[in-house]
Amino acid sequence: NAGVMQNPRHLVRRRGQEARLRCSPMKGHSHVYWYRQLPEEGLKFMVYLQKENIIDESGMPKERFSAEFPKEGPSILRIQQVVRGDSAAYFCASKAGTNTEAFFGQGTRLTVV
Amino acid sequence: KQEVTQIPAALSVPEGENLVLNCSFTDSAIYNLQWFRQDPGKGLTSLLLIQSSQREQTSGRLNASLDKSSGRSTLYIAASQPGDSATYLCAANTDKLIFGTGTRLQVFP
Repeated sequence: NAGVMQNPRHLVRRRGQEARLRCSPMKGHSHVYWYRQLPEEGLKFMVYLQKENIIDESGMPKERFSAEFPKEGPSILRIQQVVRGDSAAYFCASKAGTNTEAFFGQGTRLTVV
Repeated sequence: KQEVTQIPAALSVPEGENLVLNCSFTDSAIYNLQWFRQDPGKGLTSLLLIQSSQREQTSGRLNASLDKSSGRSTLYIAASQPGDSATYLCAANTDKLIFGTGTRLQVFP
């Protein structure tokens, strides 16, 4: 089991471009979570997805951000028209069930220039 | 709304000391509580998971306790080593994980 895989590990985008972050959960896990971590700050919840469904997106900005977890393939966090304030580390976690252990990927570090 | 607090924010100790890291949460309706370790520039490594029906869990030199009714969890690190230096995060699980801001631990030789 390769664990939670995120790619790319590092992503540089110019202001106004789009960023697409990918997360492949652990095998057998159907619950996926996205978090954002700013330098010297804690992890902030963004969105919780199960296959083909958004369960909770209360932490995600209403504009420019979207997430999906299709029936086949990885979960995608998409940020349109990036701004410098979007620069952060974005982490994905997966779980097999609601009350099971969460495992995190190594993160994608987004830098907007 | 679940809020998670960790104290102390930072801790610097000599090698060999026994340590206690504290975590408190405001909503006791949790499925479980999970402790993580994060090294600089890295992802999170799961250390211990305590289900809401459990009182404690142990893994090697680590022991975590949970008092759900009072909204508290404690991570005990025995005989600390320089390799334990990292940020330690607790997360309360109520469908989603809500994190504290962490305790930054430095163990010096």
